[in-house]
Amino acid sequence: AQSVTQPDIHITVSEGASLELRCNYSYGATPYLFWYVQSPGQGLQLLLKYFSGDTLVQGIKGFEAEFKRSQSSFNLRKPSVHWSDAAEYFCAVDRLRGYALNFGKGTSLLVTP
Amino acid sequence: GAVVSQHPSWVICKSGTSVKIECRSLDFQATTMFWYRQFPKQSLMLMATSNEGSKATYEQGVEKDKFLINHASLTLSTLTVTSAHPEDSSFYICSASDSNYGYTFGSGTRLTVV
Repeated sequence: AQSVTQPDIHITVSEGASLELRCNYSYGATPYLFWYVQSPGQGLQLLLKYFSGDTLVQGIKGFEAEFKRSQSSFNLRKPSVHWSDAAEYFCAVDRLRGYALNFGKGTSLLVTP
Repeated sequence: GAVVSQHPSWVICKSGTSVKIECRSLDFQATTMFWYRQFPKQSLMLMATSNEGSKATYEQGVEKDKFLINHASLTLSTLTVTSAHPEDSSFYICSASDSNYGYTFGSGTRLTVV
């Protein structure tokens, strides 16, 4: 069965430091991959998505992610974190082209001064 | 960009009553919409897939008689929690697939049953 694993439940980084959030998937075919961000009590905002092509994907708010087929990973990165980036981050994979998403358990990001 | 509007953003109801949550795609037509449930500090769990003009497809373990889903038009899907109980208290989020093959999410509804 398709699954998404986010190994880190919580991550704390200092403002201005770099960030990498990990995501691994288990999927029989080439998946469509997504990263979403959720602020407390809010819906989800799409940061970026990967369907095919260039394995380095640029998103909004300065985020990028790299698809590595050999490692079944789709890690999210940002070179310099801002305090406003503190939120919950979810990696997701589509179940079957156009069907619902399978979400990882999420990584909670805390940004310290 | 694609926008999904979800109302209400929060609701408090008495145990035994029913609550309806609306999910609208504002600038695109959504043949399929999805309803998720999220418990505090947890991930989103798919409850059902809502298809315009047909019956919803429920995930295993989701009571279809308790969580009624109607997708009467290409821009509106509703979730009705019937005979709500405190254990139904949760954060409910809808989403729709837009033309760019992205999934746009509503802002969620916080349901509290007292």
